[in-house]
Amino acid sequence: KAGVTQTPRYLIKTRGQQVTLSCSPISGHRSVSWYQQTPGQGLQFLFEYFSETQRNKGNFPGRFSGRQFSNSRSEMNVSTLELGDSALYLCASSPPGPGYEQYFGPGTRLTVT
Amino acid sequence: AQSVTQLDSQVPVFEEAPVELRCNYSSSVSVYLFWYVQYPNQGLQLLLKYLSGSTLVESINGFEAEFNKSQTSFHLRKPSVHISDTAEYFCAVSVNAGGTSYGKLTFGQGTILTVHP
Repeated sequence: KAGVTQTPRYLIKTRGQQVTLSCSPISGHRSVSWYQQTPGQGLQFLFEYFSETQRNKGNFPGRFSGRQFSNSRSEMNVSTLELGDSALYLCASSPPGPGYEQYFGPGTRLTVT
Repeated sequence: AQSVTQLDSQVPVFEEAPVELRCNYSSSVSVYLFWYVQYPNQGLQLLLKYLSGSTLVESINGFEAEFNKSQTSFHLRKPSVHISDTAEYFCAVSVNAGGTSYGKLTFGQGTILTVHP
């Protein structure tokens, strides 16, 4: 099976702009989670989608949003970018069943200047 | 709420030496436990997991971890490391309680393992 794919891999944006990141989960996985990874804060949970519904959300401002499509692909959007949003954004998908083991994509490296 | 503490931020070892990366967690409910590895400029790869059953779990590349409920630990060990094991390792927990636990992994801060020749 193909792994989790994320596009684009690298992105440079300017403060105040908005950005959309895309994630395609492993075939058959209906749960998609998003994480932000920074050197200072480590890996932080953003939100999780399942069957096009957001089931869980981390402690991030409303500028961070997401959605999931009927084919389980997911997008996350960050509006009004700030310098502190520079990070590696990781998407992960989970198979059905207990444990919530997650399989991660390669990430999108966002740099805000 | 859950929390994960990785007791060492960096662990340097020589090739073929044994290594232990320590992980402790805190949770008021039962958890599932994971170790992930991250190579430079890559995403996280699932190394091994503990869901239930035998407390000793093994990966295909020689790592093992033991779930110790009384000490709330899930330390990662390898009897003989290789240069290629150089990477950052993350311990993580999830809770099967639905609601605010859906799809959420709580990670430790990571341990950078550096294997020297």
